[in-house]
Amino acid sequence: AQSVSQHNHHVILSEAASLELGCNYSYGGTVNLFWYVQYPGQHLQLLLKYFSGDPLVKGIKGFEAEFIKSKFSFNLRKPSVQWSDTAEYFCAVNPDYNDMRFGAGTRLTVKP
Amino acid sequence: GAGVSQSPSNKVTEKGKDVELRCDPISGHTALYWYRQSLGQGLEFLIYFQGNSAPDKSGLPSDRFSAERTGGSVSTLTIQRTQQEDSAVYLCASSYSGFQETQYFGPGTRLLVL
Repeated sequence: AQSVSQHNHHVILSEAASLELGCNYSYGGTVNLFWYVQYPGQHLQLLLKYFSGDPLVKGIKGFEAEFIKSKFSFNLRKPSVQWSDTAEYFCAVNPDYNDMRFGAGTRLTVKP
Repeated sequence: GAGVSQSPSNKVTEKGKDVELRCDPISGHTALYWYRQSLGQGLEFLIYFQGNSAPDKSGLPSDRFSAERTGGSVSTLTIQRTQQEDSAVYLCASSYSGFQETQYFGPGTRLLVL
């Protein structure tokens, strides 16, 4: 079945460590890609999105993601995490005009 | 308010009862989405409205689920004859025009079927 896979269920880092969260999808053709974040007690909100053009996209709060078409991947990165980045992160793919698929999410805990 | 609102915030019901969940999108947003998030799972896409129309209802889990949107604004998701497996958080989102636009999520309705 076509899917969106997030490799890590729970990641624990210390402040200032670098972050990379994996996301792979299995849809062919042109897709739109997103990372959403849910901070504790808050609603889901968009971090960044990719439709076309430069495969390295920058989002809010210093996050970036790289689209690698050959690997069907859209990994999220941040050079130096902060305690306030503690949240759940969801990768999402819009594979066609009437569908949106989310990964299961990765919980990030940043220790101060 | 400026954001997406959903009601009720929590709903406890008995198996076999019908429930109705409501979503108020951001004013001016023509696209509206319903998702379901079960414990430990990602978001499951249920249905998308463009205006009052849903192009494809195949994402709804069963024929006990229905959704409608009126006046290009408020949407209701109805679950008939609820089952315990329907217990989940139901999230609504809206965007300006479609999937390529940023989706703004509501707080969700937490449904528990006893």
